[in-house]
Amino acid sequence: EVQLVESGGNLVQPGGSLRLSCVASGFTFTSYWMHWVRQAPGKGLVWVSRVNGDGRSTLYVDAVEGRFTISRDNAKNTLYLQMNSLRDEDTAVYYCGRGPAHGGSYLEHWGQGTLVTVSS
Amino acid sequence: DIQVTQSPSTLSASVGDRVTITCRASQNINSWLAWYQQKPGRAPNLLIHKASSLQSGAPSRFSGSGSGTEFTLTISSLQPDDFATYYCQQYHTDATFGQGTKVEIK
Repeated sequence: EVQLVESGGNLVQPGGSLRLSCVASGFTFTSYWMHWVRQAPGKGLVWVSRVNGDGRSTLYVDAVEGRFTISRDNAKNTLYLQMNSLRDEDTAVYYCGRGPAHGGSYLEHWGQGTLVTVSS
Repeated sequence: DIQVTQSPSTLSASVGDRVTITCRASQNINSWLAWYQQKPGRAPNLLIHKASSLQSGAPSRFSGSGSGTEFTLTISSLQPDDFATYYCQQYHTDATFGQGTKVEIK
């Protein structure tokens, strides 16, 4: 059974940093692109970033480009999102997700989400 | 950037109704479109990918159609478990979600 478990969400001040983690199990981690998607309170879904299987290719939504870094440790079956220079508008539940076997950018499996609150 | 627009934003329907949600892309995305269902406090769940391919485990009352710039999600006979918010997502270029359609009890 595919499982994705996020952690690392917390209350942080504007300008601060936070690192989210997502531990994967139940599939061959290196074979799949992985994604982060966020959802502000009461709002819709926003795709944030993705990384390919070997970690060498990454992509970001414009709103986080230069501030967030996606990475993965395939030895630990873990996906990360390093978030720097956080802003109020980054407040959201952050979901990690697994793409399909052929590398497309839709999400077949989702974690339960972790809440990031940016506030002074 | 490719924009994705869903309509309606809210839909009121009764159990047994046939329900249709529309998604329009700002440019041709071929069939690179997915549909998700999300219930309050839960992660989204994939229903349809490649515009019309039913995800394994998704009920057969859900179907998707369309290509190019216009797509639909149809629920053939609405069930109590289907009251939720539905999102489309294009994945032709990067990934963009629609703003969501909330299906409410009439």
